[in-house]
Amino acid sequence: GAGVSQTPSNKVTEKGKYVELRCDPISGHTALYWYRQSLGQGPEFLIYFQGTGAADDSGLPNDRFFAVRPEGSVSTLKIQRTERGDSAVYLCASTVAEGTGELFFGEGSRLTVL
Amino acid sequence: AQKVTQAQTEISVVEKEDVTLDCVYETRDTTYYLFWYKQPPSGELVFLIRRNSFDEQNEISGRYSWNFQKSTSSFNFTITASQVVDSAVYFCALSEEGNTPLVFGKGTRLSVIA
Repeated sequence: GAGVSQTPSNKVTEKGKYVELRCDPISGHTALYWYRQSLGQGPEFLIYFQGTGAADDSGLPNDRFFAVRPEGSVSTLKIQRTERGDSAVYLCASTVAEGTGELFFGEGSRLTVL
Repeated sequence: AQKVTQAQTEISVVEKEDVTLDCVYETRDTTYYLFWYKQPPSGELVFLIRRNSFDEQNEISGRYSWNFQKSTSSFNFTITASQVVDSAVYFCALSEEGNTPLVFGKGTRLSVIA
């Protein structure tokens, strides 16, 4: 498709498990962002990539969270030792022009930690 | 530190009524950017508008209009003659100079009743 694709759309896991969430941005978009959205809240910034490198990871809540973008396209958000508080919708966005704010978002991956 | 406040958590209007969504922001920068995004039930955030801090002209796009007032640090969004399809959560966001990631407000849920 032409938009940002995120998989899985829904993930239910048990506390303590490892989870990977995948984002496939729009072709040609060099900047990729991860946000987290809890119920009734606005999206909160986690990390963004310019190409393959993490340009700003200041939003990652702790060292259980990690993200990669090895080839400058697809990105994977990895969460180790999941906790119930990690339950949220994880949103990915991409843009062709970094800093313009015209982000194109995917539909998100809803993570539920039991 | 940057902050966005959307005081209205939920608004309900009858179709064809006009409705204004409020947004108040805080920033220490003189150069910054303000945004509105729409999040329909599908979950995918859709970009609506971007304004920079040096352009206080109000903008109109069809039934949508935006009122930017630096004196009150507000960037309000008005929908004229609302329609059921306008039902969504609307987020105001701010980005400071230097390509900082967007900071979102908590959103306003708009319900337009036929």
